[in-house]
Amino acid sequence: GNSVTQMEGPVTLSEEAFLTINCTYTATGYPSLFWYVQYPGEGLQLLLKATKADDKGSNKGFEATYRKETTSFHLEKGSVQVSDSAVYFCALSGGSSASKIIFGSGTRLSIRP
Amino acid sequence: EAGVTQFPSHSVIEKGQTVTLRCDPISGHDNLYWYRRVMGKEIKFLLHFVKESKQDESGMPNNRFLAERTGGTYSTLKVQPAELEDSGVYFCASSQDRGVASYNEQFFGPGTRLTVL
Repeated sequence: GNSVTQMEGPVTLSEEAFLTINCTYTATGYPSLFWYVQYPGEGLQLLLKATKADDKGSNKGFEATYRKETTSFHLEKGSVQVSDSAVYFCALSGGSSASKIIFGSGTRLSIRP
Repeated sequence: EAGVTQFPSHSVIEKGQTVTLRCDPISGHDNLYWYRRVMGKEIKFLLHFVKESKQDESGMPNNRFLAERTGGTYSTLKVQPAELEDSGVYFCASSQDRGVASYNEQFFGPGTRLTVL
């Protein structure tokens, strides 16, 4: 079945550091890929998405590119801020998963001032 | 426009008791989903309603869990009797129906944190 594997946390970085959170997936068909974020005390929010191979999703300085050849969707940001501290979930939908979302285990990110 | 709301935000109960979680989707959203995150692991799908009908309940862990969506508006998820392993965060999400070929973005609520002692 479909699955998502992401980098385990927690990840702690200094402000303005470069961020990469790795994510790979296994899926049949052509899934859509997502990064969701959960800030402290809040619900899940869609951060960015890509619906087909080579698409790049971007939002709030974060980027991820849908790489079908490596089945990856790594999240990157060039300069993180304290306000980026949150839990990040890589996820997919579609293909054999129909409309439900398959999530990775989440990566907790903490940014030091 | 109000987002997805969930009630309660936290619930602490003892093993063997019953708890009912409620989700109010965004108005006009026919699709409603329940997910849960147990013990800091991945968020797992529980079930999907289209209006009042259960479209997919393949993720429901066992028959102690009962989900309803009478009238196709809000939904409840009842756990009876609760066990220790049911502790976690229960998320609800809703989406519009734009057809099979379109991606229907799911909007999530803040979750209900359930602790079973």
